[in-house]
Amino acid sequence: DAGITQSPRHKVTETGTPVTLRCHQTENHRYMYWYRQDPGHGLRLIHYSYGVKDTDKGEVSDGYSVSRSKTEDFLLTLESATSSQTSVYFCAISQGARSSYEQYFGPGTRLTVT
Amino acid sequence: DAKTTQPNSMESNEEEPVHLPCNHSTISGTDYIHWYRQLPSQGPEYVIHGLTSNVNNRMASLAIAEDRKSSTLILHRATLRDAAVYYCILRGLKTSYDKVIFGPGTSLSVIP
Repeated sequence: DAGITQSPRHKVTETGTPVTLRCHQTENHRYMYWYRQDPGHGLRLIHYSYGVKDTDKGEVSDGYSVSRSKTEDFLLTLESATSSQTSVYFCAISQGARSSYEQYFGPGTRLTVT
Repeated sequence: DAKTTQPNSMESNEEEPVHLPCNHSTISGTDYIHWYRQLPSQGPEYVIHGLTSNVNNRMASLAIAEDRKSSTLILHRATLRDAAVYYCILRGLKTSYDKVIFGPGTSLSVIP
């Protein structure tokens, strides 16, 4: 199994509070991704990173920011959580961005915003 | 990325082979066919991928039609642990930092 951990695994927070989710990998893969999964929407890309300090937006990036100061860590921050951000968040990694590369996913973080 | 079509659900008996179909009639010549699966309450898991030729790995086999407009994921001997949602995905070369786009997938039930 790919060495990907996410923390916390579960979190309940109140509307308006900041939240940071962490993704940690031991595979030294260059590319890291944050997705959210909601019923009826499947997996949607929030942000991705193609190297240390190199990040870009995905299709649902509003309300989220990311940082990558080390190869192994990719942080997702909700600056001011809203109920619409209640979701399951998955981190993924890949060796390359080309279409021949597979992605490996973490176990997920279930976030509830009350 | 081109679109894929999969049945919403399938059933299989335990220890029997399972053939999961995927149609991708608008596939381009440089699109790779990827399969992932997601077990309940877990993250998606990579299964297999291929371009033109059939592929085998420890988890499954991928059979790709000669015209590449369809493919089949083959689980040779279904176990209860194989009950999951299976996603067939096309990944093209057009974008540098492309993403994996998941459709609704096929929910596979395995009957003991």
